[in-house]
This record gives sequence, C-alpha cells and structure tokens, in this order.
Amino acid sequence: DIQMTQSPSLLSASVGDRVTINCKASQNINKYLNWYQQKLGEAPKLLIYNTNNLQTGIPSRFSGSGSGTDYTLTISSLQPEDFGTYFCFQHNSWPGTFGGGTKLELK
Amino acid sequence: EVQLVESGGGLVQPGRSLKLSCAASGFTFSDYNMAWVRQAPKKGLEWVATISYDGSSTYYRDSVKGRFTISRDNAKSTLYLQMDSLRSEDTATYYCAREGIPTADYWGQGVMVTVSS
Repeated sequence: DIQMTQSPSLLSASVGDRVTINCKASQNINKYLNWYQQKLGEAPKLLIYNTNNLQTGIPSRFSGSGSGTDYTLTISSLQPEDFGTYFCFQHNSWPGTFGGGTKLELK
Repeated sequence: EVQLVESGGGLVQPGRSLKLSCAASGFTFSDYNMAWVRQAPKKGLEWVATISYDGSSTYYRDSVKGRFTISRDNAKSTLYLQMDSLRSEDTATYYCAREGIPTADYWGQGVMVTVSS
C-alpha cells in the first residue's frame, strides 16, 4: 500500500493566518490526492480533489497544489469555522490510503 | 442533499458477527460505486471495501478478506457490510462513502463498532 505521511500533526494558528499542511506519498500518486476536513462527530467533508480542484461550495480561501509525491493544502486566511482536523487521501492505487491527520487548533 | 446514514454498530464479542447498513438518499444510488472506510480509536483512516454500482465487483483490504462482505440493495438505496469472525483490531468507527467523481465525495457520520469480551 502507498504510505501517506502528513505534517504537521498539530497546528496552532490564529484567525487570519495563512496555514499550510503537507502530505508526502511513498511513491508517485499522479495528482490523485484529495483533502478533507472533519469536525468532531461530523462526516468528513471533501475540500479539494485531484490536488487542486475546489469541491462545489467550498470557499476559495482553500487551495491545493503539488505533484509526484508532495502535496500541500493552503488556507489563505483562517476563519473561525476552519478549526478541526484535516487529512489527505490518495486514490491513485487501491486501496486508497490516508494521511495521519492534522489537528488545526486556535492559538 | 446527499445523505448517508450508517446504523447497526455496537459492542460484540470476538469471533461474533455484526452487519452494518448505510441508507443513502439525495442521489441515484444505483449510479455510484460505494465504499466502507474505518478509523480505529486514536489511529488513522483505512479503506475497507468497495462495491461497484451494480454489485458485480467487490474489493477488500487484505486484513478483512474472507471475513467481511460488502453488498448493496439498489432497490432500497442501502449499502451493507457483513462482518464475521470479528477481532479486537476491527474496533473502529465505520463510515460509508460515495465513490463519485470525485472519489469519496460524500461520507456518512459513522457508526462505532467495539469488539471486546
């Protein structure tokens, strides 16, 4: 299985900050990389698919980039509703595999 | 609005069985592949199984092959996961997910399964 290494695992930030979260794959995943947000007790929500495509209804402050094995999620200006856990997911090969998650908390 | 609602979780002894259900609404269920994903306490997410839109093809991660069976009833817009010979390491929150374009675009809120004596 492809291993996904996500960093950092914990991120403390303030409203208005620009933040980045990284995922590194153990092999080339050809940009088949999604990003999700999850809040306690809620279903994971798809933010970005296939590296840089914004899911319908997701604010434009979220963006994604990357290629090969290295991928990044950027939130340009943190809003109060953005705090929660984020994880990446590769679906280049079966089974899809996930990063370990990044907990984004209020500083 | 797409909705996926899991049910059927609970506490079960090792070696016993449990069947999860996922009721889908807000989309044409029979047009989509579906999947089960799980998350053990304090651990990462794991893709468990996938079923094609018509039920003709299924895929399982190695650790559940021969013990879990994914199935669907398109007339009832419901996805299932039959879990047999359960082990303590199967303890997790189980999510159903729609395999749309994009992949895994909608998820349910999850149902907890605890395997313990």
